Amino acid sequence: ILNVEQSPQSLHVQEGDSTNFTCSFPSSNFYALHWYRWETAKSPEALFVMTLNGDEKKKGRISATLNTKEGYSYLYIKGSQPEDSATYLCAPQGVQGAQKLVFGQGTRLTINP
Amino acid sequence: SAVISQKPSRDICQRGTSLTIQCQVDSQVTMMFWYRQQPGQSLTLIATANQGSEATYESGFVIDKFPISRPNLTFSTLTVSNMSPEDSSIYLCSVERGPGQPQHFGDGTRLSIL
Repeated sequence: ILNVEQSPQSLHVQEGDSTNFTCSFPSSNFYALHWYRWETAKSPEALFVMTLNGDEKKKGRISATLNTKEGYSYLYIKGSQPEDSATYLCAPQGVQGAQKLVFGQGTRLTINP
Repeated sequence: SAVISQKPSRDICQRGTSLTIQCQVDSQVTMMFWYRQQPGQSLTLIATANQGSEATYESGFVIDKFPISRPNLTFSTLTVSNMSPEDSSIYLCSVERGPGQPQHFGDGTRLSIL
């Protein structure tokens, strides 16, 4: 898996609003899709690992869906809070690549109070 | 999740010198990885650190430039050799306990080369 695209590259959202962004990846040789949150001066934090087409996972106000047939995943944040400000990275994992992750450039989210 | 200690957290180095980054995990893990994020770029895998054998390098990365040690299942080092300003990046180690499991990252080393 070589071509991973995340959109938008950056996003400014008002506190309390909900938002979502996209991760697109080649659908062939798919094994898993990882989502991470990376706050400034901290280490990337794992949010979800998704493997099945149609998977939907939730962690508090954050949820994600997966479509392996068309090669995309959406990340949703409901009722954005200032602490949600971070860069959100997706990383598909291919069958042939074993445990290797290929990261997108990320969506940089800023929550305006 | 694993507790990962990565040192140093940041450094400023002179051109032509080398720096070794350490990654210590609180429990034994099979898979350890080293990543780099250059300014404005995505997080890119440098190599997989293999215990007891040579690391597996990704395209564009070579052992002479980024020698890696993995003496046991809890520790690894990455050396950035003969540094140039293009090596200014955040370097991260990560571990994964098995297929389908999330990777856990160290806090990173923010490296600047003058």
